[in-house]
Amino acid sequence: AQTVTQSQPEMSVQEAETVTLSCTYDTSESDYYLFWYKQPPSRQMILVIRQEAYKQQNATENRFSVNFQKAAKSFSLKISDSQLGDAAMYFCAYRSAFGGGGADGLTFGKGTHLIIQP
Amino acid sequence: DADVTQTPRNRITKTGKRIMLECSQTKGHDRMYWYRQDPGLGLQLIYYSFDVKDINKGEISDGYSVSRQAQAKFSLSLESAIPNQTALYFCATSAGIRNSAQFFGPGTRLTVL
Repeated sequence: AQTVTQSQPEMSVQEAETVTLSCTYDTSESDYYLFWYKQPPSRQMILVIRQEAYKQQNATENRFSVNFQKAAKSFSLKISDSQLGDAAMYFCAYRSAFGGGGADGLTFGKGTHLIIQP
Repeated sequence: DADVTQTPRNRITKTGKRIMLECSQTKGHDRMYWYRQDPGLGLQLIYYSFDVKDINKGEISDGYSVSRQAQAKFSLSLESAIPNQTALYFCATSAGIRNSAQFFGPGTRLTVL
């Protein structure tokens, strides 16, 4: 079974600064997907960014980018120019590319609480 | 209008009661999921469905059952609620394994007294 570990329960950053959230995972599979989801106080789960394991290029979505290190099984999220609206819980998640046979669904880490200091 | 909706948004019930949480989606996705979130934890998969005729258990299915009434509707039932089922419940949808993002509903906060 796959596991996802987020070692930072809480992070704090000054507004307009850059912050990096860490995520590591354990899997024996070669093909999979990785995600970062944001959960603000409204509790809605919002997709931030996704990465396909077969792609070497790191995904980017506006101010959000990832550093995907497949050999190290590391998938960190970098938020540039932090804004007050970025304050939320951030969850790293893994999904097998094979699915089926009881192997579908996302495996989540326990989350990192991001605080933005004005 | 929201693509994935859940009803009710909040519910308080008593131990031993039967309760149903409902999920509807307008995204046209085949796959639907139910997750549970406990404080300080990520989401855990309860059940998932690939289509109306295909339902599968997730990692924490004990004490829960589901019904896929149509492509767009997926319900979660607690036949006899217990206090440790107090949690936040999310429904999610996905278009399929190669288009692999899951999109979540707003969640239902369930309290079992």
